[in-house]
Amino acid sequence: DVVMTQSPLSLPVTLGQPAAISCRPSQSLVHSDGNTYLNWFQQRPGQSPRRLIYMASNRDSGVPDRFSGSGSGTDFTLKISRVEAEDVGVYYCMQATHWPVTFGGGTKVEIK
Amino acid sequence: EVQLVESGGGLIQPGRSLRLSCKGFEFTFGDYAMSWFRQAPGKGLEWVSFIANKAYSETTEYAASVKGRFTISRDDSKSIAYLQMNSLKTEDTAVYYCTRGVRGPDYWGQGTLVTVSS
Repeated sequence: DVVMTQSPLSLPVTLGQPAAISCRPSQSLVHSDGNTYLNWFQQRPGQSPRRLIYMASNRDSGVPDRFSGSGSGTDFTLKISRVEAEDVGVYYCMQATHWPVTFGGGTKVEIK
Repeated sequence: EVQLVESGGGLIQPGRSLRLSCKGFEFTFGDYAMSWFRQAPGKGLEWVSFIANKAYSETTEYAASVKGRFTISRDDSKSIAYLQMNSLKTEDTAVYYCTRGVRGPDYWGQGTLVTVSS
């Protein structure tokens, strides 16, 4: 199985400051079809997960442009350019290139 | 607006069976693969199972932890996906989420809680 190493575990951030979350899969996420199936999800307290980014760098409709995804192969990053109060929650990376689908352990974003 | 609504969760004894349902609204259900994920209390997300659409022969996949015990199916005429869970174990206790798609699940239901306990 592909192990998704996500860091940090906890990320205290000052409002208005940037934040970055790293996700490192144990093998390349480039599929034989040429796509990279790396997604980022946000889970606010008490809510279902919400997809923010798909195929590593494509922002979902309705997701604020302060969220961006980058990376390739075995090194991916989710960035929040200026953290707002509504960004509090747990963020997960997920790969769906290889079976089984696997997730990172999650990063808890909180306001300092 | 696309919506997924799960049902069928509850308190069940170890070894018993339960069937979850997921009904889709406001999209052409038969065009999409459907998946189930779960989240144990206070834990992270775990993929459980996936079923392709008819164009891909309704191919199914399962996580190793549920293979041989859980069965995914779909009824496109009713826009419903099912997860039949047999021989339930205490470690199956979780909120179960239904999603549209698997490579990039874009819509998630509100989840249904399954508690396996004697």
